[in-house]
Amino acid sequence: AQTVTQSQPEMSVQEAETVTLSCTYDTSESNYYLFWYKQPPSRQMILVIRQEAYKQQNATENRFSVNFQKAAKSFSLKISDSQLGDTAMYFCAFMENKAAGNKLTFGGGTRVLVKP
Amino acid sequence: DTEVTQTPKHLVMGMTNKKSLKCEQHMGHRAMYWYKQKAKKPPELMFVYSYEKLSINESVPSRFSPECPNSSLLNLHLHALQPEDSALYLCASSQGGDPETQYFGPGTRLLVL
Repeated sequence: AQTVTQSQPEMSVQEAETVTLSCTYDTSESNYYLFWYKQPPSRQMILVIRQEAYKQQNATENRFSVNFQKAAKSFSLKISDSQLGDTAMYFCAFMENKAAGNKLTFGGGTRVLVKP
Repeated sequence: DTEVTQTPKHLVMGMTNKKSLKCEQHMGHRAMYWYKQKAKKPPELMFVYSYEKLSINESVPSRFSPECPNSSLLNLHLHALQPEDSALYLCASSQGGDPETQYFGPGTRLLVL
């Protein structure tokens, strides 16, 4: 069974600074997807960024980027130029690469607080 | 458009009530999901429907009964719930294919008295 571990329960960062969230996972699969989701106090789960395991290039989405280390089974998220609206719970998630109808396995989450 | 809608936003019910949660998507996605999320915890998968057929049931108690009337609609029927079932219930949908991504609705906050 796959497991996802987020070792930082909470992190705080000053506005405009950079913060990095860690995520490690365990799997015997070679083909899979990794995700970071954001859940603000409004509780809507929002996709931040996605990485396909077969792609060597790290994914980026505006101020969000990942450092994907497949051999180390590590998938960290960097938030640059942090904004107050980035305050949220961030979940790392793993999915096997199959047809539609897959199980997302979530890490325990990291609460990020952006301070003005 | 990646919108998944859920109704109601909030629901309070007694342990003898019967109620239903509704989820809708008009993105042509072929898979739909129900998750349960307790406070300060990650979502836990309950059910998956793929092409309108139940494909995954994560050993959920029978007081939760899912239904997928068509490819756009997913219901969760609730009956004889317990106070520990109080949680945020999230619906998600996905297209299928590569890359496979689940898009979530805003959730229904359920309180069982």
